[in-house]
Amino acid sequence: GAGVSQSPRYKVAKRGQDVALRCDPISGHVSLFWYQQALGQGPEFLTYFQNEAQLDKSGLPSDRFFAERPEGSVSTLKIQRTQQEDSAVYLCASSLRRSGQSVAKNIQYFGAGTRLSVL
Amino acid sequence: ILNVEQSPQSLHVQEGDSTNFTCSFPSSNFYALHWYRWETAKSPEALFVMTLNGDEKKKGRISATLNTKEGYSYLYIKGSQPEDSATYLCAYTTPMNYGGSQGNLIFGKGTKLSVKP
Repeated sequence: GAGVSQSPRYKVAKRGQDVALRCDPISGHVSLFWYQQALGQGPEFLTYFQNEAQLDKSGLPSDRFFAERPEGSVSTLKIQRTQQEDSAVYLCASSLRRSGQSVAKNIQYFGAGTRLSVL
Repeated sequence: ILNVEQSPQSLHVQEGDSTNFTCSFPSSNFYALHWYRWETAKSPEALFVMTLNGDEKKKGRISATLNTKEGYSYLYIKGSQPEDSATYLCAYTTPMNYGGSQGNLIFGKGTKLSVKP
């Protein structure tokens, strides 16, 4: 079956440019997470959606980062005025269950990521 | 600070060797421990999710154990094959709504395994 799809796979941006990264989760998955993996680090949480509601955006590093999921399926992570420190792999993951006590042990299914390079 | 430590950082073994990695995590406010395998240019693939102290999981030649009291998990690969070459990530979750958590994964930096034929 279709997994989580992310596009583009690679993106090169000039410093100051705006970028938009897309995530198509597995159909029917209510929960959607975005993570950022800088070089040499583990993935770090950015934001979480339950359907169309953004329930946690505590990991977004600055107000230049914005995420949306308007119809509760496809999500877009937008980065305005990109900086060199934004260079990273951006991972999207989806899972089946709604927010609740058991969701913390639900498997998250990941896309292959978007590698962003800011020059 | 909710740190996950993985060791070793990288590992080179010969085909047929057995190997193991360590993941340590804060034992307080623990809910679940996840192991993922991430091959280059592919999606991270879930291997195991464990919640209970003493849990042991097995999938083919790969197995994992969990000690929640002391805050560590081991991942074992028996008879490594070249196709096992990947980065192995562990991550844990805190109870829902602890510190605002919505079930997001807190990752270590991973162990990069290379298996030579």
